[in-house]
Amino acid sequence: ETGVTQSPTHLIKTRGQQVTLRCSSQSGHNTVSWYQQALGQGPQFIFQYYREEENGRGNFPPRFSGLQFPNYSSELNVNALELDDSALYLCASSRSEDNYEQYFGPGTRLTVT
Amino acid sequence: QKEVEQNSGPLSVPEGAIASLNCTYSDRVSQSFFWYRQYSGKSPELIMSIYSNGDKEDGRFTAQLNKASQYVSLLIRDSQPSDSATYLCAVNSYGNNRLAFGKGNQVVVIP
Repeated sequence: ETGVTQSPTHLIKTRGQQVTLRCSSQSGHNTVSWYQQALGQGPQFIFQYYREEENGRGNFPPRFSGLQFPNYSSELNVNALELDDSALYLCASSRSEDNYEQYFGPGTRLTVT
Repeated sequence: QKEVEQNSGPLSVPEGAIASLNCTYSDRVSQSFFWYRQYSGKSPELIMSIYSNGDKEDGRFTAQLNKASQYVSLLIRDSQPSDSATYLCAVNSYGNNRLAFGKGNQVVVIP
Protein backbone atom coordinates (compact mmCIF):
# COMPACT_ATOMS: atom_id res chain seq x y z
CA GLU A 1 0.00 0.00 0.00
CA THR A 2 1.29 3.45 -0.95
CA GLY A 3 -0.77 5.46 1.51
CA VAL A 4 -2.40 7.34 -1.37
CA THR A 5 -6.18 7.15 -1.27
CA GLN A 6 -8.75 8.02 -3.92
CA SER A 7 -12.52 8.33 -3.89
CA PRO A 8 -14.82 7.17 -5.20
CA THR A 9 -13.66 3.77 -6.45
CA HIS A 10 -16.16 3.59 -9.29
CA LEU A 11 -18.44 6.17 -10.84
CA ILE A 12 -21.01 6.12 -13.62
CA LYS A 13 -22.01 9.43 -15.20
CA THR A 14 -24.00 10.55 -18.19
CA ARG A 15 -22.54 12.50 -21.10
CA GLY A 16 -22.63 16.24 -20.38
CA GLN A 17 -22.50 15.87 -16.60
CA GLN A 18 -19.72 17.04 -14.30
CA VAL A 19 -17.61 14.90 -11.96
CA THR A 20 -15.23 15.51 -9.05
CA LEU A 21 -12.61 12.95 -8.08
CA ARG A 22 -10.62 13.17 -4.85
CA CYS A 23 -7.16 12.16 -3.77
CA SER A 24 -5.27 12.19 -0.47
CA SER A 25 -1.52 12.10 -0.83
CA GLN A 26 0.95 9.99 1.11
CA SER A 27 2.17 11.46 4.39
CA GLY A 28 5.17 13.70 3.76
CA HIS A 29 4.41 14.16 0.06
CA ASN A 30 3.76 17.68 -1.21
CA THR A 31 3.04 17.08 -4.90
CA VAL A 32 0.05 15.45 -6.57
CA SER A 33 -0.17 14.42 -10.22
CA TRP A 34 -3.23 13.19 -12.07
CA TYR A 35 -3.22 10.69 -14.94
CA GLN A 36 -5.84 9.20 -17.22
CA GLN A 37 -5.42 5.58 -18.26
CA ALA A 38 -7.55 4.22 -21.07
CA LEU A 39 -7.94 0.48 -21.42
CA GLY A 40 -4.79 -1.13 -22.81
CA GLN A 41 -2.77 2.10 -22.69
CA GLY A 42 -0.22 3.64 -20.39
CA PRO A 43 -1.25 6.49 -18.08
CA GLN A 44 -1.43 9.94 -19.71
CA PHE A 45 -0.42 12.99 -17.66
CA ILE A 46 -3.25 15.44 -17.01
CA PHE A 47 -1.65 17.94 -14.62
CA GLN A 48 0.33 18.30 -11.42
CA TYR A 49 -0.20 20.41 -8.31
CA TYR A 50 2.51 21.71 -6.01
CA ARG A 51 1.98 24.22 -3.22
CA GLU A 52 -1.67 24.56 -4.24
CA GLU A 53 -0.81 25.70 -7.76
CA GLU A 54 -0.87 23.93 -11.11
CA ASN A 55 2.70 22.96 -11.90
CA GLY A 56 2.50 21.56 -15.39
CA ARG A 57 -0.27 20.35 -17.66
CA GLY A 58 -0.58 17.68 -20.31
CA ASN A 59 -2.57 17.76 -23.53
CA PHE A 60 -6.02 17.91 -21.95
CA PRO A 61 -8.75 20.51 -22.60
CA PRO A 62 -9.68 23.21 -20.04
CA ARG A 63 -12.76 21.25 -18.96
CA PHE A 64 -10.27 19.21 -16.94
CA SER A 65 -9.39 21.28 -13.90
CA GLY A 66 -8.05 20.68 -10.44
CA LEU A 67 -7.29 21.95 -6.98
CA GLN A 68 -4.80 21.22 -4.26
CA PHE A 69 -5.57 21.99 -0.63
CA PRO A 70 -3.22 23.07 2.19
CA ASN A 71 -3.06 19.46 3.46
CA TYR A 72 -1.81 18.46 -0.06
CA SER A 73 -4.98 16.56 -0.93
CA SER A 74 -6.33 17.24 -4.39
CA GLU A 75 -9.41 17.20 -6.59
CA LEU A 76 -9.83 16.58 -10.30
CA ASN A 77 -12.91 18.12 -11.89
CA VAL A 78 -14.17 17.24 -15.35
CA ASN A 79 -16.98 19.27 -16.92
CA ALA A 80 -19.17 18.40 -19.89
CA LEU A 81 -18.28 14.72 -19.78
CA GLU A 82 -17.75 12.93 -23.07
CA LEU A 83 -17.87 9.21 -23.80
CA ASP A 84 -14.10 9.20 -24.36
CA ASP A 85 -13.57 10.37 -20.79
CA SER A 86 -14.35 6.83 -19.66
CA ALA A 87 -11.08 5.63 -18.13
CA LEU A 88 -9.19 4.88 -14.94
CA TYR A 89 -8.16 8.14 -13.25
CA LEU A 90 -5.01 7.83 -11.22
CA CYS A 91 -3.63 10.14 -8.61
CA ALA A 92 0.08 9.94 -7.79
CA SER A 93 1.82 11.64 -4.92
CA SER A 94 5.49 12.50 -4.62
CA ARG A 95 7.99 14.69 -2.86
CA SER A 96 9.44 17.40 -5.03
CA GLU A 97 12.91 16.46 -3.72
CA ASP A 98 12.77 12.80 -4.73
CA ASN A 99 13.69 12.60 -8.42
CA TYR A 100 10.05 12.45 -9.39
CA GLU A 101 9.34 9.04 -7.87
CA GLN A 102 5.57 8.95 -7.96
CA TYR A 103 3.34 6.58 -6.03
CA PHE A 104 -0.14 5.83 -7.28
CA GLY A 105 -3.42 5.52 -5.47
CA PRO A 106 -5.90 2.76 -6.35
CA GLY A 107 -7.62 4.87 -8.98
CA THR A 108 -11.18 5.85 -9.81
CA ARG A 109 -12.89 3.99 -12.64
CA LEU A 110 -15.14 6.47 -14.48
CA THR A 111 -17.73 5.25 -16.95
CA VAL A 112 -19.55 7.81 -19.08
CA THR A 113 -22.73 6.61 -20.80
CA GLN B 1 7.88 9.05 -32.72
CA LYS B 2 6.35 8.27 -29.35
CA GLU B 3 8.13 9.57 -26.26
CA VAL B 4 8.36 6.13 -24.67
CA GLU B 5 8.01 2.94 -26.66
CA GLN B 6 7.52 -0.59 -25.51
CA ASN B 7 7.07 -2.59 -28.66
CA SER B 8 7.12 -6.19 -27.58
CA GLY B 9 3.89 -8.13 -27.52
CA PRO B 10 2.81 -10.32 -24.59
CA LEU B 11 5.76 -12.23 -23.15
CA SER B 12 5.25 -15.79 -21.94
CA VAL B 13 8.01 -17.26 -19.79
CA PRO B 14 8.25 -20.54 -17.90
CA GLU B 15 8.38 -20.36 -14.14
CA GLY B 16 11.99 -19.93 -13.00
CA ALA B 17 13.17 -18.37 -16.28
CA ILE B 18 14.34 -14.80 -16.92
CA ALA B 19 11.87 -12.29 -18.34
CA SER B 20 13.45 -9.44 -20.30
CA LEU B 21 11.61 -6.22 -21.11
CA ASN B 22 12.87 -3.30 -23.18
CA CYS B 23 11.89 0.33 -23.49
CA THR B 24 13.21 3.16 -25.66
CA TYR B 25 12.68 6.88 -25.20
CA SER B 26 13.02 9.85 -27.50
CA ASP B 27 14.02 12.77 -25.24
CA ARG B 28 17.80 12.87 -24.90
CA VAL B 29 17.62 15.03 -21.75
CA SER B 30 15.59 12.44 -19.86
CA GLN B 31 16.99 12.00 -16.37
CA SER B 32 14.85 9.59 -14.38
CA PHE B 33 13.58 6.19 -15.41
CA PHE B 34 11.05 3.95 -13.73
CA TRP B 35 9.43 0.56 -14.04
CA TYR B 36 5.92 0.06 -12.73
CA ARG B 37 4.05 -3.22 -12.37
CA GLN B 38 0.30 -3.19 -12.92
CA TYR B 39 -1.89 -6.16 -12.11
CA SER B 40 -5.17 -6.44 -14.01
CA GLY B 41 -7.73 -4.05 -12.57
CA LYS B 42 -5.21 -2.43 -10.22
CA SER B 43 -3.12 0.74 -10.25
CA PRO B 44 0.59 0.88 -11.19
CA GLU B 45 3.10 -0.02 -8.47
CA LEU B 46 6.62 1.40 -8.57
CA ILE B 47 9.13 -1.46 -8.57
CA MET B 48 12.37 0.07 -9.87
CA SER B 49 13.92 3.47 -10.42
CA ILE B 50 17.24 4.16 -12.14
CA TYR B 51 19.03 7.45 -12.79
CA SER B 52 22.53 6.66 -14.08
CA ASN B 53 23.98 4.40 -16.74
CA GLY B 54 24.54 0.79 -15.81
CA ASP B 55 22.69 -1.81 -13.83
CA LYS B 56 20.67 -1.56 -10.65
CA GLU B 57 19.57 -4.69 -8.84
CA ASP B 58 16.78 -5.07 -6.30
CA GLY B 59 15.95 -8.61 -5.35
CA ARG B 60 14.95 -10.53 -8.46
CA PHE B 61 14.68 -7.33 -10.52
CA THR B 62 17.50 -5.67 -12.45
CA ALA B 63 17.08 -2.41 -14.31
CA GLN B 64 19.60 -1.47 -16.99
CA LEU B 65 20.04 2.03 -18.41
CA ASN B 66 21.96 3.11 -21.51
CA LYS B 67 21.51 6.84 -22.09
CA ALA B 68 23.67 6.90 -25.22
CA SER B 69 21.35 4.40 -26.90
CA GLN B 70 18.28 5.79 -25.14
CA TYR B 71 16.99 2.55 -23.78
CA VAL B 72 16.14 1.09 -20.43
CA SER B 73 15.42 -2.54 -19.70
CA LEU B 74 14.07 -4.68 -16.89
CA LEU B 75 15.10 -8.24 -16.11
CA ILE B 76 13.04 -10.45 -13.85
CA ARG B 77 15.05 -13.43 -12.64
CA ASP B 78 13.52 -16.66 -11.36
CA SER B 79 10.11 -15.57 -12.67
CA GLN B 80 7.15 -16.54 -10.50
CA PRO B 81 3.45 -16.79 -11.38
CA SER B 82 2.93 -13.73 -9.16
CA ASP B 83 5.07 -11.74 -11.64
CA SER B 84 2.31 -12.11 -14.24
CA ALA B 85 1.28 -8.50 -14.86
CA THR B 86 1.71 -5.58 -17.23
CA TYR B 87 5.02 -3.73 -16.84
CA LEU B 88 5.05 -0.02 -17.62
CA CYS B 89 8.19 1.95 -18.46
CA ALA B 90 8.10 5.62 -17.40
CA VAL B 91 10.53 8.44 -18.12
CA ASN B 92 10.94 11.91 -16.67
CA SER B 93 12.97 14.74 -18.13
CA TYR B 94 15.03 17.23 -16.19
CA GLY B 95 12.93 20.19 -15.13
CA ASN B 96 9.79 18.43 -16.33
CA ASN B 97 7.57 17.14 -13.63
CA ARG B 98 5.46 14.69 -15.57
CA LEU B 99 6.06 11.02 -16.22
CA ALA B 100 5.73 9.83 -19.81
CA PHE B 101 4.64 6.19 -19.94
CA GLY B 102 4.95 3.48 -22.52
CA LYS B 103 1.98 1.34 -23.46
CA GLY B 104 3.19 -1.50 -21.26
CA ASN B 105 4.24 -5.10 -21.80
CA GLN B 106 2.19 -8.00 -20.52
CA VAL B 107 4.17 -10.79 -18.89
CA VAL B 108 2.65 -14.22 -18.33
CA VAL B 109 4.61 -16.68 -16.20
CA ILE B 110 3.63 -20.27 -16.95
CA PRO B 111 3.89 -22.69 -14.00
